[in-house]
Order: sequence, then C-alpha cells, then structure tokens
Amino acid sequence: NAGVTQTPKFQVLKTGQSMTLQCAQDMNHNSMYWYRQDPGMGLRLIYYSASEGTTDKGEVPNGYNVSRLNKREFSLRLESAAPSQTSVYFCASSPRTGGGTNYGYTFGSGTRLTVV
Amino acid sequence: GENVEQHPSTLSVQEGDSAVIKCTYSDSASNYFPWYKQELGKRPQLIIDIRSNVGEKKDQRIAVTLNKTAKHFSLHITETQPEDSAVYFCAANPPMDSSYKLIFGSGTRLLVRP
Repeated sequence: NAGVTQTPKFQVLKTGQSMTLQCAQDMNHNSMYWYRQDPGMGLRLIYYSASEGTTDKGEVPNGYNVSRLNKREFSLRLESAAPSQTSVYFCASSPRTGGGTNYGYTFGSGTRLTVV
Repeated sequence: GENVEQHPSTLSVQEGDSAVIKCTYSDSASNYFPWYKQELGKRPQLIIDIRSNVGEKKDQRIAVTLNKTAKHFSLHITETQPEDSAVYFCAANPPMDSSYKLIFGSGTRLLVRP
C-alpha cells in the first residue's frame, strides 16, 4: 500500500499564480486533513474533511480552498498565491469514524512550495 | 478553539541522559494526545499517544504522562541515543465533530550529543 500520496513534491510559483496540491490515500480512511508547516510554528491546520462530502475550515484557511473529490482524494487549491504561503504542506488521513478508537494520522511526504 | 503550547523549543542532551518535553492545552474536552517525531526532510510519524482516561503510557524508552486537572502532558525519553535527534510535536484533539483533527504544538528540536 502507498498510504498517503502527495503531488507535487516541489513547486515554485510566482505571486498571483494558482495551483492545486493533490492528495490521495488508499487506506479507506474517512477523514483527511491539510496542514502547513512553517519554522517555529509547528503544523497548522488549513482545512479538513471529516467524511466524504464534508469540508471545514481549520486554524488558517484564508487564501485556500479544498475539494473532497471522493473518499480517496482531497485537494488543496491556492487561487492567487502570495509569498506568505511559502511553506511545506502536508496532507494526512485518519480512519476516524463516529465512535471509532483508531485515531492515528498517516501523513503524506509533503509538498515544498515557494512563492516568489 | 484549542491551543497547544510546547516547551522547550530546543533541547540538547548528552547521549544516555533523559529528555523531557512538556505541552499544555486549553480545551478541557480534548481527549486524545499524540506525539510525533519528524526527522529532517521527512514526514511526521506517530511515536506514542495517550487517551484522557489514562494517566501514563510507556513504550520501551518512551513514556507519556497526562495531568488532566492541570491540562498538561509530557514526553519522556530515557537513555537517549543520537538517532533520537529530531523535531518532536505534541498535539491535542478537540472533539468538535466526527473528524479527528489535531491541533499541534510548535515543536521541540531535540539534539542528542554523542
């Protein structure tokens, strides 16, 4: 099993350009998440999807949109990239279902995005 | 919303010594507290977790303790080895919906000196 697959691994954008980060998991997990990681600030939640068909804002949603395309795929879109969005982006999934006891996250390998 | 604070931001220990990293959380309803290890250039990986109905959990050289009254939890690494050098993140889960979203601390960079 591949686990959680993110594409691309690296990307350089010019200010104002748009792009979509792709994430897919093959573990039949219900919940999926997008985090950004900046030096000294840990992992901050951008958006999440508790289950197929639902999405919700996290701690830092401004400037981003998401789509839960199906149970496997959860994409993150930057409509008009800004230098402040330079970061490492991680997708994650978890098998959480209502009342479930297996909480562990599986992270993708990350996307290093630079906006110039 | 939930806020997780983590200390210290950097920690340097001699090989064989113990290391302790502490986190506090704000939402008393949070009930799940995992710890992740992230090596340079790699993805975070779960190393140990604890649920709110347990006070302590051990796994070989790693242990986590939870004080629900004080709303803090700690990671203890004994007999540290150079391969323990990494960034460690604590997290808490505020049970607001059917997801298991985690709010992370800002991380601790642990350096184990040979």
